[in-house]
Amino acid sequence: EVQLLESGGGLVQPGDSLRLSCAASGFSFSTYAMAWVRQAPGKGLEWVSSIINSGMTTSYGDSVKGRFAISRDNSKNTVSLQMNSLRAEDTAIYYCAKYRGLHASAWFFDYWGQGILVTVSS
Amino acid sequence: QSVLTQPPSVSGAPGQRVTISCTGSSSNIGAGLDVHWYQQLPGAAPKLLIYANYNRPSGVPDRFSGSKSATSASLAITGLQAEDEADYYCQSYDFNLGGYVFGGGTKLTVL
Repeated sequence: EVQLLESGGGLVQPGDSLRLSCAASGFSFSTYAMAWVRQAPGKGLEWVSSIINSGMTTSYGDSVKGRFAISRDNSKNTVSLQMNSLRAEDTAIYYCAKYRGLHASAWFFDYWGQGILVTVSS
Repeated sequence: QSVLTQPPSVSGAPGQRVTISCTGSSSNIGAGLDVHWYQQLPGAAPKLLIYANYNRPSGVPDRFSGSKSATSASLAITGLQAEDEADYYCQSYDFNLGGYVFGGGTKLTVL
């Protein structure tokens, strides 16, 4: 059974940093690209960042580019999101998600974690 | 504003059929890119419902179906049940943005 378990969320002040982690199990982690998707309170889904299976290529949404960094450790089956210079508008539930699909432009999210709340407020 | 446009809400009585549209542009759906659909029950994480336009993952009832044409896609739900009440999101890739895009979401209410 595929499981994705996020950790590291919490309440931080604007300008602070926070690191989210996602522990994966139940599938061959090093085979699949992974992503972070977020959902602000009462709002829709927003893709945040992706990393391919090897970790060699990453991509980011415009709203987080230059502030967030995604990484993975295939030996530990974990993917992380380092979030710097946090803003109030980064307040959201952050979901770790597993990709599936033939090529990057066809990728979709076939499994999701339960999500973790990040609150940025003074 | 979302890159993919969905109606904010739809509703139907138990047993009825409803459709949810997802309209894109020439840089995403119109470019031939696949559309995927997710169901988010209240208080839960999203769940994959339809992938690559019309494919259902194992375990998804055949009451759910997807279609795609030109610059839009649709999710149809037949034989509406109370447990279908949820938010539904479409998703694709956008060449101009170089990233993955979602619709704004549609809230389905079962009357």
